[in-house]
Amino acid sequence: ETGVTQTPRHLVMGMTNKKSLKCEQHLGHNAMYWYKQSAKKPLELMFVYSLEERVENNSVPSRFSPECPNSSHLFLHLHTLQPEDSALYLCASSQDRGRSAFFGQGTRLTVV
Amino acid sequence: GQQLNQSPQSMFIQEGEDVSMNCTSSSIFNTWLWYKQDPGEGPVLLIALYKAGELTSNGRLTAQFGITRKDSFLNISASIPSDVGIYFCAGQLGPRDDKIIFGKGTRLHILP
Repeated sequence: ETGVTQTPRHLVMGMTNKKSLKCEQHLGHNAMYWYKQSAKKPLELMFVYSLEERVENNSVPSRFSPECPNSSHLFLHLHTLQPEDSALYLCASSQDRGRSAFFGQGTRLTVV
Repeated sequence: GQQLNQSPQSMFIQEGEDVSMNCTSSSIFNTWLWYKQDPGEGPVLLIALYKAGELTSNGRLTAQFGITRKDSFLNISASIPSDVGIYFCAGQLGPRDDKIIFGKGTRLHILP
């Protein structure tokens, strides 16, 4: 138990569906992150929130839309995804920007 | 862009053997991190290194932040079956840099 909880653990969705991934951290951290992990590729940073404000968007397609309503919760809204978006989506948090990140267990997303 | 070269890509060892893996980069990093990822789970932070030359242990694990700040290694002594998994190195370029750059991982297999 790392203190970062992601739901759902697994998600299968069609290309026309809309779904959301949820992340919750109980560590009192100020920064939260979304990462994408595809097979045989390094972990890719997607979004960074610090004190609920988005500070980085690594050229992620608009079909991925993050939301950070407070410092403990982070969402990733998904719509009209492509099969190549199938991956493990990992949420992480850290005490402050630039400090070690602690990861959730991830959501295994399959787009059909 | 910045890249981390992690080696080896995979290792097959006997239980009880020591393990060594490393990461190198052409860029100077401010922080080096080592994570372990089990199948279906998110990465778990093993060791964080914040100063050049720093040598830190966590049980049977030892990691060092290279003097040049461009490399780091992780050693595991007396391996046991639960050490199986993928080990990732990661680096942060600056003290408040959100971007954690990950290596591609070293997959550790332990032979019966």
